Amino acid sequence: EDQVTQSPEALRLQEGESSSLNCSYTVSGLRGLFWYRQDPGKGPEFLFTLYSAGEEKEKERLKATLTKKESFLHITAPKPEDSATYLCAVQASGGSYIPTFGRGTSLIVHP
Amino acid sequence: DGGITQSPKYLFRKEGQNVTLSCEQNLNHDAMYWYRQDPGQGLRLIYYSQIVNDFQKGDIAEGYSVSREKKESFPLTVTSAQKNPTAFYLCASSIAITSYEQYFGPGTRLTVT
Repeated sequence: EDQVTQSPEALRLQEGESSSLNCSYTVSGLRGLFWYRQDPGKGPEFLFTLYSAGEEKEKERLKATLTKKESFLHITAPKPEDSATYLCAVQASGGSYIPTFGRGTSLIVHP
Repeated sequence: DGGITQSPKYLFRKEGQNVTLSCEQNLNHDAMYWYRQDPGQGLRLIYYSQIVNDFQKGDIAEGYSVSREKKESFPLTVTSAQKNPTAFYLCASSIAITSYEQYFGPGTRLTVT
């Protein structure tokens, strides 16, 4: 069974204090790993897809990296508007194409 | 603007009543999905549809029903058989079931008392 574990569950940062969110996964074969941002009371917004170990993608203050067992979402010099829940999901190769989602990390950035 | 719309944003029902949540997309996507989100839980798949007139049960389909009569529309009915229906419901779509990215609607918060 595919599993996705995100840590920490919640993270509080001061504005400008860089940190990383973790997404560890167990799948028989990885087809893709996805990061989403979700604001309170809204639907998730797609951020990145990573396909293979060693891959990195960046968007503004966010950088996503991927290894064979986990992905990190690095947040550099965060701002209060980066506050949100960040969701990770994996899509396994073979069988169903339905992604498995983690429970998310709730990030709060204080000014 | 292309996107996914869900209505209403908030829905209140009495226990024992069926209720239908709307999901419409104008992205020309073949695949559509319904998820349920509860506090502290990951997204759980209720139903998905790869193509018009076809749909499959997800992990938590009991107490729910769907239809896919048009490519653009994938309504979800929460029946009285659903034991704990209060939740945040998210509709999503993708170009095809094999696509990597899913695009989500704004969600409907259903409260049943």
